[in-house]
Amino acid sequence: GENVEQHPSTLSVQEGDSAVIKCTYSDSASNYFPWYKQELGKRPQLIIDIRSNVGEKKDQRIAVTLNKTAKHFSLHITETQPEDSAVYFCAADNSGYSTLTFGKGTMLLVSP
Amino acid sequence: EPEVTQTPSHQVTQMGQEVILRCVPISNHLYFYWYRQILGQKVEFLVSFYNNEISEKSEIFDDQFSVERPDGSNFTLKIRSTKLEDSAMYFCASSETSGNTGELFFGEGSRLTVL
Repeated sequence: GENVEQHPSTLSVQEGDSAVIKCTYSDSASNYFPWYKQELGKRPQLIIDIRSNVGEKKDQRIAVTLNKTAKHFSLHITETQPEDSAVYFCAADNSGYSTLTFGKGTMLLVSP
Repeated sequence: EPEVTQTPSHQVTQMGQEVILRCVPISNHLYFYWYRQILGQKVEFLVSFYNNEISEKSEIFDDQFSVERPDGSNFTLKIRSTKLEDSAMYFCASSETSGNTGELFFGEGSRLTVL
């Protein structure tokens, strides 16, 4: 099956700095890579996703890059704000049916 | 905005008891899922459901678990005889697309505490 590794487990930045979270996956058949943000006690919410036919996708302050050869993908958040503080999960789907394998999460803390 | 709804939000039960968690997926969605998250850990896939049958399940989803879509709107997860290690947040999710990975919409979760 698929295995997703995520680093770092915690990340502290100052407001306005950039944050980068990295994930690797094991199954070369995986073709969909979403990122979820989970605030304390809340549901995971999709913030951005990328499919295997593109290398980069951007949505305002958030971007995701994918390197299929190396089997890793990264989340980039620029100009971080305190409200970006949350746990971020990467995931990979090798089924084509949203059967996601999640990473262990990164707790991002943005200090004002 | 349509959303996935789950009940109950929190359930406390004794070990060995049966528990049913209920979900109402988004109305035009075709794929339904249960995921769980043990406190402080990652989200784990349990089962996917499409066209009134299980399409995929994980190793976690053993004989103690079952899913059902008893009517046109509800999607339930039953744990027949709960164990302490079943304590977790259980998330229902649904997806619109058929045959191509689409965005998963998660419910707010049902927190299960087994004593």
